[in-house]
Amino acid sequence: DSGVTQTPKHLITATGQRVTLRCSPRSGDLSVYWYQQSLDQGLQFLIQYYNGEERAKGNILERFSAQQFPDLHSELNLSSLELGDSALYFCASSQAGVNEQFFGPGTRLTVL
Amino acid sequence: TQLLEQSPQFLSIQEGENLTVYCNSSSVFSSLQWYRQEPGEGPVLLVTVVTGGEVKKLKRLTFQFGDARKDSSLHITAAQPGDTGLYLCAGVQTHGQNFVFGPGTRLSVLP
Repeated sequence: DSGVTQTPKHLITATGQRVTLRCSPRSGDLSVYWYQQSLDQGLQFLIQYYNGEERAKGNILERFSAQQFPDLHSELNLSSLELGDSALYFCASSQAGVNEQFFGPGTRLTVL
Repeated sequence: TQLLEQSPQFLSIQEGENLTVYCNSSSVFSSLQWYRQEPGEGPVLLVTVVTGGEVKKLKRLTFQFGDARKDSSLHITAAQPGDTGLYLCAGVQTHGQNFVFGPGTRLSVLP
């Protein structure tokens, strides 16, 4: 158990819909990262937040957005969903100034 | 173009064999991490290497960081079926900002 929690574990929805994925980092970790992993693909970095502020942006679509709240949990919002958005979405957290990341169990999103 | 390249992409070996997988870049990294991921689960951190030339051992796993901090290797001795998984290297470039992952080596150890 990494200490990072993600909900829900599974999500099935239809094209055009909007969903919100939630992540709670390890106690004391200020950084939260979001990744997308499609079937048999590598991890694609989406976005990083540090203590509530956006720190780095990767290949995140404009239809996707994220935020980190004062209690440090984070949400990833995916809108106007397309079939190709079906993937595993992972959240990871790390301590300030440390590159090591601890991953949650992921949310498997299926868009029908 | 991947900032981090990993080879081989796939590896299937018999239990008891030794193997080495590689992580390479044309860029210098301040540190590199190795993760192992099992199907449907999140990656799990195995080790971090920071100093050029550093060697770290974790039971049957030996990790090495290249002298120039552009490459790393993972050697597994006497592989076991429990070693099966996707091995990912990752890190932040010395003059970069984003944390990047390599595409991974998918290892299968057959009993």
